[in-house]
Amino acid sequence: GEDVEQSLFLSVREGDSSVINCTYTDSSSTYLYWYKQEPGAGLQLLTYIFSNMDMKQDQRLTVLLNKKDKHLSLRIADTQTGDSAIYFCAERDNTDKLIFGTGTRLQVFP
Amino acid sequence: DTGVSQNPRHKITKRGQNVTFRCDPISEHNRLYWYRQTLGQGPEFLTYFQNEAQLEKSRLLSDRFSAERPKGSFSTLEIQRTEQGDSAMYLCASTWSTGVDTQYFGPGTRLTVL
Repeated sequence: GEDVEQSLFLSVREGDSSVINCTYTDSSSTYLYWYKQEPGAGLQLLTYIFSNMDMKQDQRLTVLLNKKDKHLSLRIADTQTGDSAIYFCAERDNTDKLIFGTGTRLQVFP
Repeated sequence: DTGVSQNPRHKITKRGQNVTFRCDPISEHNRLYWYRQTLGQGPEFLTYFQNEAQLEKSRLLSDRFSAERPKGSFSTLEIQRTEQGDSAMYLCASTWSTGVDTQYFGPGTRLTVL
């Protein structure tokens, strides 16, 4: 079945770059997404990438997609304390529902 | 438009009681999804509607769960005879089913079953 995996924790110093990694199994996924969740809140869409793209940049965010290895990453440049949250990657399956990873908790320290 | 809204935000109930949650999607969106998120996990799909039609239900959705979207606008999710294992955050998302199909999420309803 479909499965999305992420590392559980990442800790970075303020001002450094953060890289959050994700692997997925469904090679037919058309879109892959990154969502951010702050404590007690719903999910905020950060960015998405179409499966025929290798890279997408949006301000401080860079998404890299290696379709051969089914590997997705999110790079946050100049990480700020306000970036501390849980980050979920998700793939859209062939019935248009989202399959989420377990989330990566990003902690930014001064 | 203020985005997807969900009510109530928190619900505490005793085991065996029935609960109902409401989701109001973004007004022009024709698809509405329900997900459940337990502590330390990512959201898991429960069911979705296109307009008023319920198109898919997860195996997670036992017969104690029922969802409706009677006029293709707001949706309700009812859980009958709640169990402690139903304690979770219930998230609603909506989208317009074309192209990117980006799902926008509401703030969720946190259910605690005592």
